[in-house]
Amino acid sequence: NAGVTQTPKFRVLKTGQSMTLLCAQDMNHEYMYWYRQDPGMGLRLIHYSVGEGTTAKGEVPDGYNVSRLKKQNFLLGLESAAPSQTSVYFCASSYRDTGGPGELFFGEGSRLTVL
Amino acid sequence: GQSLEQPSEVTAVEGAIVQINCTYQTSGFYGLSWYQQHDGGAPTFLSYNALDGLEETGRFSSFLSRSDSYGYLLLQELQMKDSASYFCAVLNTGGFKTIFGAGTRLFVKA
Repeated sequence: NAGVTQTPKFRVLKTGQSMTLLCAQDMNHEYMYWYRQDPGMGLRLIHYSVGEGTTAKGEVPDGYNVSRLKKQNFLLGLESAAPSQTSVYFCASSYRDTGGPGELFFGEGSRLTVL
Repeated sequence: GQSLEQPSEVTAVEGAIVQINCTYQTSGFYGLSWYQQHDGGAPTFLSYNALDGLEETGRFSSFLSRSDSYGYLLLQELQMKDSASYFCAVLNTGGFKTIFGAGTRLFVKA
């Protein structure tokens, strides 16, 4: 039982390049989330999904796209990377608990640097 | 919109008790969670309050007052390993988003 797995764990990009971060969970969770964490700013929600085939915008969605084609996977894409997207990205998943999300289970994080 | 406020840093002595406060503003409040994060690690869940009152889990307790839009995390018998960042997070009913505060850095001194 791996929990939440993120790939890659480290990546360096040049401005304008594109890339996709993959999040996979094996807990059959309904909800999945992508957050970014910058120093002193906590975790900010980028996009989230409440089920297979659904996605929704979070607090800071600009410059990112997501897809949830399979229940266990949640992909985060950067179409044209910018230095402002240098950050640590965390994926999280949760089960449905009495109508809403329960405890969030986080992946280990993906450290992205955009030069 | 939503906002959460918590102190940026707290320092306490090993063996002591420390309280980390969190005030929030949100529509459609569902519950308040607390997470711990050590440097270089991922956040891990500590507690969750949906109703007013105190929830206790070992050395950690969490309190919620919905009428005051306020909660706190209480850490007892502090240990050096408790040095970490602590985040409060609001769950709202409008889309089931979980929004985090900026975090409180706890330093435990010997």
